[in-house]
Amino acid sequence: EDQVTQSPEALRLQEGESSSLNCSYTVSGLRGLFWYRQDPGKGPEFLFTLYSAGEEKEKERLKATLTKKESFLHITAPKPEDSATYLCAVDGLNDMRFGAGTRLTVKP
Amino acid sequence: KAGVTQTPRYLIKTRGQQVTLSCSPISGHRSVSWYQQTPGQGLQFLFEYFSETQRNKGNFPGRFSGRQFSNSRSEMNVSTLELGDSALYLCASSLNGQGRDTQYFGPGTRLTVL
Repeated sequence: EDQVTQSPEALRLQEGESSSLNCSYTVSGLRGLFWYRQDPGKGPEFLFTLYSAGEEKEKERLKATLTKKESFLHITAPKPEDSATYLCAVDGLNDMRFGAGTRLTVKP
Repeated sequence: KAGVTQTPRYLIKTRGQQVTLSCSPISGHRSVSWYQQTPGQGLQFLFEYFSETQRNKGNFPGRFSGRQFSNSRSEMNVSTLELGDSALYLCASSLNGQGRDTQYFGPGTRLTVL
């Protein structure tokens, strides 16, 4: 069965303190891996799509990477406005499967 | 370009009732997917519609159903509501559907079942 596991569940950082979020997955026939950001009471906001191992995407302070078994979301010098829940999702042959998310808090 | 819209944003129902939620996708998008989000289970896939046909379905009981109209707008229906159906219901639209391109989410409908 397809599975997506995100770690850590929660992460507290000081402003400027870089870190990484992990998304490990097992899926039949990966068609794409997606990263979303979700603020409380809102729908997920699209960040990145990765399709194959070795691929990397960047946007402002965020960088997503993909291997055959996991993806990382690197956050460089985060700011308080980066506080949110970050969701990883994999699209396999069966359906779209989401991880439980990492709740990131960035303190000023 | 307007984003995905969902109505209503909030809904309160009692057990046994039924409810219909609506989703208008981004203009030009032909695929609409529905998800249920709860604190305990996270985001779970309900079903996907493409050009008025259900293309994929998650592991939910038959009380959950949906449809898509010719203008790509979609509705989701839940019959005989249970307390456990309380959740944020999200719809997402994409140009050609899951596995083909990115999905964009609406703000969700918060359903509370009393």
